[in-house]
Amino acid sequence: NAGVTQTPKFQVLKTGQSMTLQCAQDMNHEYMSWYRQDPGMGLRLIHYSVGAGITDQGEVPNGYNVSRSTTEDFPLRLLSAAPSQTSVYFCASSYLLRGGTDTQYFGPGTRLTVL
Amino acid sequence: TQLLEQSPQFLSIQEGENLTVYCNSSSVFSSLQWYRQEPGEGPVLLVTVVTGGEVKKLKRLTFQFGDARKDSSLHITAAQPGDTGLYLCAGRNSGGSNYKLTFGKGTLLTVNP
Repeated sequence: NAGVTQTPKFQVLKTGQSMTLQCAQDMNHEYMSWYRQDPGMGLRLIHYSVGAGITDQGEVPNGYNVSRSTTEDFPLRLLSAAPSQTSVYFCASSYLLRGGTDTQYFGPGTRLTVL
Repeated sequence: TQLLEQSPQFLSIQEGENLTVYCNSSSVFSSLQWYRQEPGEGPVLLVTVVTGGEVKKLKRLTFQFGDARKDSSLHITAAQPGDTGLYLCAGRNSGGSNYKLTFGKGTLLTVNP
């Protein structure tokens, strides 16, 4: 049981480049989400999904796309990277409970730098 | 957007001291969670509180949910260097079905030996 895995761990991009951050979980969790963490800002929700084929926007979705074709995978795509997207990105997953979610399990993070 | 204000933002203490971290909001939350995050890792859940006035203990850590479910506190007794880390509170909106967690900005705790 690997939990939540994220790749890559580190990435450097040039402005305008695109890339996909990978996230996978092997706990059969319905709920998956992406956060970004910036100094002094805590964790901010980018996008989330409550099941395969269902995604929705969080607090800071601009510049990011997601899809959920399987229960296990929830990739985050940066369409045209900007320096403002320099951050640490965390993927999390959990079971769904009535009216909410269970314990969030976080991956180890991807540290992204956009030059 | 419901906001969670954490205080203090930074805390540096000596081993053996006690401390309290606060998490406050003007909004009501159906539940509130506390996470600890160590450098280079993702946050790890410490506790979930769901009932107003609820108190939970985890070894030297005591968590309390306010009676009105708008605030919470984390008290650490006899802090140890292993307690060093970023402490985050996160609340789930009250009323209806809501999957989103709102995180505070965190309290960075350093316990010096």
